[in-house]
Amino acid sequence: GENVEQHPSTLSVQEGDSAVIKCTYSDSASNYFPWYKQELGKGPQLIIDIRSNVGEKKDQRIAVTLNKTAKHFSLHITETQPEDSAVYFCAASINSNYQLIWGAGTKLIIKP
Amino acid sequence: DTAVSQTPKYLVTQMGNDKSIKCEQNLGHDTMYWYKQDSKKFLKIMFSYNNKELIINETVPNRFSPKSPDKAHLNLHINSLELGDSAVYFCASGPGRRTSWNEKLFFGSGTQLSVL
Repeated sequence: GENVEQHPSTLSVQEGDSAVIKCTYSDSASNYFPWYKQELGKGPQLIIDIRSNVGEKKDQRIAVTLNKTAKHFSLHITETQPEDSAVYFCAASINSNYQLIWGAGTKLIIKP
Repeated sequence: DTAVSQTPKYLVTQMGNDKSIKCEQNLGHDTMYWYKQDSKKFLKIMFSYNNKELIINETVPNRFSPKSPDKAHLNLHINSLELGDSAVYFCASGPGRRTSWNEKLFFGSGTQLSVL
């Protein structure tokens, strides 16, 4: 079955710098890759997703890149701000399946 | 209006008790989920219902029983609570098969269960 690994588990960056979180997946049939952000005391919230027919997607300061050959995808946050501090989860799924396979999460800390 | 609401937000109870967590979604979604998040933040799916039909039933002790009276509600009942059940439990909903399975999930704000 699918397995998703996420690195690093904790990432500390200076405010204004960029942050990159990486995930690898094992099943080449996976074709949907969302990223969720979980703020303290709240449930995860989708911030961006990508499908296997594109290599990159951007939404303001966040972007996701996908390398199908290497089976990895990454979340990029530019010009980080204090409100970016949260736990970020990547996930992967196969279109014919109904289950998201989740990474273990990355705690992002933005230092003022 | 809260899209996915679950109650209670906090639940403190003694070992051996039976407790329930309720979840309701007003998004018109077909699919609802229960997730368990442990102290290391790892998200583990427990159950999923699509139009009141159980479609995902992961390896979860049978002390946990989901109940879906209609597609807008998915409750979780836990019998004989154990210390290891302490965690945050999240309800979520998604469009399900109507569009594709791979669409945005909406999560509730979680129920922090503490078993003493």
